Amino acid sequence: QKEVEQNSGPLSVPEGAIASLNCTYSDRVSQSFFWYRQYSGKSPELIMSIYSNGDKEDGRFTAQLNKASQYVSLLIRDSQPSDSATYLCAVILYSSASKIIFGSGTRLSIRP
Amino acid sequence: DAGVIQSPRHEVTEMGQEVTLRCKPISGHNSLFWYRQTMMRGLELLIYFNNNVPIDDSGMPEDRFSAKMPNASFSTLKIQPSEPRDSAVYFCASSLGQGSNTGELFFGEGSRLTVL
Repeated sequence: QKEVEQNSGPLSVPEGAIASLNCTYSDRVSQSFFWYRQYSGKSPELIMSIYSNGDKEDGRFTAQLNKASQYVSLLIRDSQPSDSATYLCAVILYSSASKIIFGSGTRLSIRP
Repeated sequence: DAGVIQSPRHEVTEMGQEVTLRCKPISGHNSLFWYRQTMMRGLELLIYFNNNVPIDDSGMPEDRFSAKMPNASFSTLKIQPSEPRDSAVYFCASSLGQGSNTGELFFGEGSRLTVL
C-alpha cells in the first residue's frame, strides 16, 4: 500500500460545479495534512492545511479530514477554469522521521 | 521577500557527467527539502535537512546522489555520474519547520535536468 494515495484522474467538472478530490493515507499517527496545487510547468503551491477532524473552509475551498477512516478531501465550490491544475495531497509521516510525502496527484479539468 | 531560489533552471548534460543543483531557501526557514518529480513516479522526497543537518536521506536513489547544506542559506544536490534515468524536475523547498507547520512548504521553480 502506498503511503499517500490519490486517484490520478483526469477529473472533469463543469464550470460552476463542485469539484471533489480525495486522498487516503496509511500512517495512522499522521496529524498534519496539506493540499497543494500545481499548474502545468510550475511548482506546487500550498492552498490548504488541516490538522483536526472535520471541515476547514477558506474561500471556495473546503478541506475535510477523517482520521478514523484515514482520508482527507478537498472540495472546490463554484469551480472556475483557473482551477484546472493537478492537486497534490501531502502528509507528514510521523512514524517515519516526520517525512513529508506527496500523493501522485489528481488532474482536475474545469470545462466551460 | 525573495522565495526559494534554484539554479540552474535547465540543465542538459551527457551521461556520465557531474551535475550540481543549487538552492537558496527562504531566509529564516530552518528546514530544506529536495524532491524529484517525474510523470511515472510523481513527487519523490530525496532528502531533507533541519537546521542544516540531514534528517532523512532514505529517498536518495543510490550513491551517485549526494546532498549538502553547509549553512542555513545554501544547499546543493550533486549527481555523479549522471544517467538518462535521472532526467526529471528537481525541486527544492523550505519551511519554518515548527511542528506541524513543517508541511507548509515553499517550493522553488525547479531545475529541469535532461541527461542524454
